[in-house]
Amino acid sequence: DIVMTQSPDSLTVSLGERATINCKSSRSVLYSSNNKNYLAWFQQKPGQPPKLLIYWASTRESGVPDRFSGSGSGTDFTLTISSLQAEDVAVYYCQQYYSTPHSFGQGTKLEIK
Amino acid sequence: QVQLQQWGAGLLKTSETLSLTCAVSGESFSGYYWSWIRQPPGKGLEWIGEINHSGGSNYNPSLKSRVTMSVDTSENQISLMLRSVTAADTAVYYCARKRNLGPVDYWGQGSLVTVSS
Repeated sequence: DIVMTQSPDSLTVSLGERATINCKSSRSVLYSSNNKNYLAWFQQKPGQPPKLLIYWASTRESGVPDRFSGSGSGTDFTLTISSLQAEDVAVYYCQQYYSTPHSFGQGTKLEIK
Repeated sequence: QVQLQQWGAGLLKTSETLSLTCAVSGESFSGYYWSWIRQPPGKGLEWIGEINHSGGSNYNPSLKSRVTMSVDTSENQISLMLRSVTAADTAVYYCARKRNLGPVDYWGQGSLVTVSS
């Protein structure tokens, strides 16, 4: 099984500042035949299901603000929020869909300073 | 717009069987995998498994001995059964749509299942 590890577990950032969340997989999630990283990022607010933000490690889902961006390849990935807004307070999860079981990171709680 | 409406018993006793159903509307049922994911209160997400419209399935090895997923293409529904539940199975259970070879993109509203002794 692929283990996903996020850092930090929690993060406090001022409004308008940059937030960076890291995700590391125990094995590469880069599929060599199509050069795609099978890695997604989700945002979850209290009482709601998760919402897809980023897939293929760096493709923004339709309707997601462009302050959200994803980067990385192989085993190391980053979600960046370029200018934190109040509505971005949430827990963020990475997930690999390269191989089953499609494991999640433990989550990173993002709060406003 | 895809909608996933889920339902099932919310309170179980130890050793009973969890049963949830998820109805899909608004778009084609075939061509996707349909996933079950759970989240214990205050904790992270755990992938339970997935099934496609023809019944092909993949389960999390940690739950495989107790899980059965099924599909009813005539009703555009998927179902989850988890046998011999314990308090550790207390969680919000989500059904979700997974794009073929892609990510999960639509989620149901979640169903809280509580297991008590």
